[in-house]
Amino acid sequence: NAGVTQTPKFQVLKTGQSMTLQCAQDMNHNSMYWYRQDPGMGLRLIYYSASEGTTDKGEVPNGYNVSRLNKREFSLRLESAAPSQTSVYFCASSGLGQGRGYQETQYFGPGTRLLVL
Amino acid sequence: SQELEQSPQSLIVQEGKNLTINCTSSKTLYGLYWYKQKYGEGLIFLMMLQKGGEEKSHEKITAKLDEKKQQSSLHITASQPSHAGIYLCGADIIAGGTSYGKLTFGQGTILTVHP
Repeated sequence: NAGVTQTPKFQVLKTGQSMTLQCAQDMNHNSMYWYRQDPGMGLRLIYYSASEGTTDKGEVPNGYNVSRLNKREFSLRLESAAPSQTSVYFCASSGLGQGRGYQETQYFGPGTRLLVL
Repeated sequence: SQELEQSPQSLIVQEGKNLTINCTSSKTLYGLYWYKQKYGEGLIFLMMLQKGGEEKSHEKITAKLDEKKQQSSLHITASQPSHAGIYLCGADIIAGGTSYGKLTFGQGTILTVHP
């Protein structure tokens, strides 16, 4: 049981290059999330997927696209990387909650450190 | 401004000292989560609080959610170097309807514990 896994762990891109960050979970969770973490800003939600086949924007979606490939996998794509996208990216997943205030715990992957030059 | 404010932003204590980290919101917190992060690593889940007045403990760490569900505190008793790291609070504070489990996070508190 690996939990939430992310690849790659590190990546350096040049401005304008594209790349896809991969995330997979083996906990049979319905919901998956992508966050970015920047100094002094905490974590900010980029996109989320409440269930297989659905995706929706979070707080900072511009410049990103996502794909919920199946129940296990949720990928994040940068089509044309910009220096402002230099950050640490975290994927998380959670089970189906029972309503407001009764959410399932979100479990996080180890993160991907991305540097855009 | 942050919807979820953590204080202090950083904290340096001597081993053995007690400390408290606060997480405050102007909106109702529907589910409050505390995570710990070591530098360069992912977030480790510590505790989840859902009901006003709820308190949970794990080893030397205690977390409380106030009655109004707008503030939570994390208290560490007799701190050790192993407690060092970044502590983050996350909460469902989206008003109205369902939030689909989306969390808003505070900016984090960096804790240093000197031996």
